[in-house]
Amino acid sequence: QSVLTQPPSVSAAAGQKVTISCSGSSSNIGNNYVSWYQQLPGMAPKLLIYDNNKRPSGIPDRFSGSKSGTSATLGITGLQTGDEADYYCGTWDRSLSAVVFGGGTQLTVL
Amino acid sequence: EVQLVESGGGLVQPGGSLRLSCTASGFAFISYEMNWVRQAPGKGLEWLSYISSSAGAIFYADSVKGRFTISRDNAKSSLFLQMNSLRAEDTALYYCARYSDYAEDALDLWGQGTLVTVSS
Repeated sequence: QSVLTQPPSVSAAAGQKVTISCSGSSSNIGNNYVSWYQQLPGMAPKLLIYDNNKRPSGIPDRFSGSKSGTSATLGITGLQTGDEADYYCGTWDRSLSAVVFGGGTQLTVL
Repeated sequence: EVQLVESGGGLVQPGGSLRLSCTASGFAFISYEMNWVRQAPGKGLEWLSYISSSAGAIFYADSVKGRFTISRDNAKSSLFLQMNSLRAEDTALYYCARYSDYAEDALDLWGQGTLVTVSS
């Protein structure tokens, strides 16, 4: 049972847009920055979005992040087959004094 | 090259111990806070432990508190995880991950992981 809640899976056609939600509480998302990670099959996770909506160098602007209250959203436009991966949200939880992750969302590009 | 390389994984019996290492290169390890994160087969990410740059602050997930110990050797650019009283449910791929120095609570560099299997 993850502290942050994500849908187990999402899918969309190539070229389309998809959003992945991440729901938390005031002890985590509500008062801290959210990060998103992409894990390609068989690979280590990679930082995709930090500070709610910023992209590290090298991450295309097809990837975006937003936060409102105790929820965050990852958006991916112009879907490509290479985007098929598991996506995780993460943040710090003040009550737990712990890093917390969502359960992960598997993206399928049709 | 900026990288983290984990080692020390393997097969261990329930109740046994294992010490994982993570060697950093290409950046000033001494300046960074570090974490251990694991991923059980077919499951999601689970954060395990955090250590500040000077080792003055340490946190653990409840699932490993009292059994696992995080430490670091800044002179050797190395991070460690001593794992005792191992259980079958500790079977996972263990990653070390660096806390970003430009972002809040973001893990910006991950190793490739080392596999720990707890089985008799």
